[in-house]
Amino acid sequence: DAMVIQNPRYQVTQFGKPVTLSCSQTLNHNVMYWYQQKSSQAPKLLFHYYDKDFNNEADTPDNFQSRRPNTSFCFLDIRSPGLGDAAMYLCATSDPGTSGSWETQYFGPGTRLLVL
Amino acid sequence: GIQVEQSPPDLILQEGANSTLRCNFSDSVNNLQWFHQNPWGQLINLFYIPSGTKQNGRLSATTVATERYSLLYISSSQTTDSGVYFCAVEETSGSRLTFGEGTQLTVNP
Repeated sequence: DAMVIQNPRYQVTQFGKPVTLSCSQTLNHNVMYWYQQKSSQAPKLLFHYYDKDFNNEADTPDNFQSRRPNTSFCFLDIRSPGLGDAAMYLCATSDPGTSGSWETQYFGPGTRLLVL
Repeated sequence: GIQVEQSPPDLILQEGANSTLRCNFSDSVNNLQWFHQNPWGQLINLFYIPSGTKQNGRLSATTVATERYSLLYISSSQTTDSGVYFCAVEETSGSRLTFGEGTQLTVNP
């Protein structure tokens, strides 16, 4: 089945130690998104790629970076995790329709990050 | 930016009961999606419904775009329906989904 895969499902890191979360998709969608979701809150968009074009949200901290080496994979790098970065990180994909709408977004299972 | 309000914030039901969740949005939208987030954190697409009515089993949704609201109906609720239901909209300027704060649904046996 076509899907969005995130690894690992749980990640523990130390304060200040760089960490990378990965996302892959078999849907062949042009757009890939990274969201941060803290406890009891709605998902918050960090950035997205439309093909190779990177689009950063204005309020995304510089501590968060992303790479998309090819259509299938996208990575979230947190350069110096702080305690406040502990959250669920969700990857999503979509394929813009001919209408220009971003159409349905499909989410992966998420990676829960714990910062010690 | 666009504002998305969901109500009620919390809902507790007995198994078998019906419920209606509401999503109001403050501006015109290109699309609207309903998601269910299960206890393990997975966001599952329920409906892509910029307008009109759709049904999928015990769930149905209606969006009245001209009046800027959407409703999600859950009939004959089951304990597996528990979780958080999110409404998310895409502004006409495009490129991102804005989520509401969600409705926490608990279905008791």
